[in-house]
Amino acid sequence: DTAVSQTPKYLVTQMGNDKSIKCEQNLGHDTMYWYKQDSKKFLKIMFSYNNKELIINETVPNRFSPKSPDKAHLNLHINSLELGDSAVYFCASSLAARGGRYEQFFGPGTRLTVL
Amino acid sequence: GDSVTQMEGPVTLSEEAFLTINCTYTATGYPSLFWYVQYPGEGLQLLLKATKADDKGSNKGFEATYRKETTSFHLEKGSVQVSDSAVYFCALSVRDTGRRALTFGSGTRLQVQP
Repeated sequence: DTAVSQTPKYLVTQMGNDKSIKCEQNLGHDTMYWYKQDSKKFLKIMFSYNNKELIINETVPNRFSPKSPDKAHLNLHINSLELGDSAVYFCASSLAARGGRYEQFFGPGTRLTVL
Repeated sequence: GDSVTQMEGPVTLSEEAFLTINCTYTATGYPSLFWYVQYPGEGLQLLLKATKADDKGSNKGFEATYRKETTSFHLEKGSVQVSDSAVYFCALSVRDTGRRALTFGSGTRLQVQP
């Protein structure tokens, strides 16, 4: 009964490959996010979807493409992986509510290592 | 833009010591403020939050008060335990925008020694 789940937990791959990370939430939330945590633990938003609509697309290379097949899922596909893509990627979800009282629930993270 | 500044870590304390982790922010609108905690090898968990000025968030002995006049949200705990060892992140989100994403500070690692 995990609230926000991600697969895989670990991903080791070669430069130039294409890979996907999957995220699912069973909380009934309507907004989902991808964050990147670098080696210094700094967290930064990459994308956000609300009801399957992209609402945030930060300055992220075009090689990164999110896809939301439904409100409960948000996947991240990465083309032509580079060394600098090595990081921990966190999925999160929340309810869109005015006043900012919502909290975001995070998945366990996917540690991506590009060799 | 929005930003959050946290004190540099690591912070090393003995068990039962008093903890303060400073957090200040700048925001384009009226922010809600959060503290998240990340235990080793795990994802982030919400520790506490405050959504308007002078609100105090509290959980598991941790407290933080939303101070609009000093744009601060410092985290405190009266007596830390070894199990509190983790990375603590201060974060904000701005109301009344469609953005909804969290802006995080750089994180502060806390090490509690027995």
